[in-house]
Amino acid sequence: GAVVSQHPSWVICKSGTSVKIECRSLDFQATTMFWYRQFPKQSLMLMATSNEGSKATYEQGVEKDKFLINHASLTLSTLTVTSAHPEDSSFYICSASPTSRSYEQYFGPGTRLTVT
Amino acid sequence: QKEVEQDPGPLSVPEGAIVSLNCTYSNSAFQYFMWYRQYSRKGPELLMYTYSSGNKEDGRFTAQVDKSSKYISLFIRDSQPSDSATYLCAMSTKPSGKSTFGDGTTLTVKP
Repeated sequence: GAVVSQHPSWVICKSGTSVKIECRSLDFQATTMFWYRQFPKQSLMLMATSNEGSKATYEQGVEKDKFLINHASLTLSTLTVTSAHPEDSSFYICSASPTSRSYEQYFGPGTRLTVT
Repeated sequence: QKEVEQDPGPLSVPEGAIVSLNCTYSNSAFQYFMWYRQYSRKGPELLMYTYSSGNKEDGRFTAQVDKSSKYISLFIRDSQPSDSATYLCAMSTKPSGKSTFGDGTTLTVKP
């Protein structure tokens, strides 16, 4: 149990376009989902906390107009990178906390974004 | 200074060795302590979760938390090549709150 999926797993896009990444909790409901960014050989950097039915809480330094987060249901959160630039190329990982066991976080497999 | 400091590694051990992975932290409000394992190009996998001080054992893995010293450890007994991965410690102040991660320690277990 406690499986989180992400789609797509890998995406290449041109500079200036927007990319949407989906995060789904497959076998549990998640009131809270988190979005992270990870650079090679570095740890996870929390970008924002997403709560179902409310606006996401962004970490300091993260542009909320650039990284749009929508948590429309208890099993789906999306991250849209708008007007992507090469410096947005990174590994984006989501995690979800089960509503019934909120102290646990389960991570998705990640999405590798390359902006050319 | 970072809130969470993790021994940087990399760490290379022979198969069967006991491995000790460690993190220190500065925020005394942290109550929940986690260890994650991350294989290359994959998302982290929750290994151990501990609340407050004490020990927790799960198979070959033992997590220790010493809140008085602000120090946590993960021990791996009888290490296997399949344990080769990056290990991340993480901690939070509340159950559903955001976690602060260490930078990770890369472990290689050689056959």
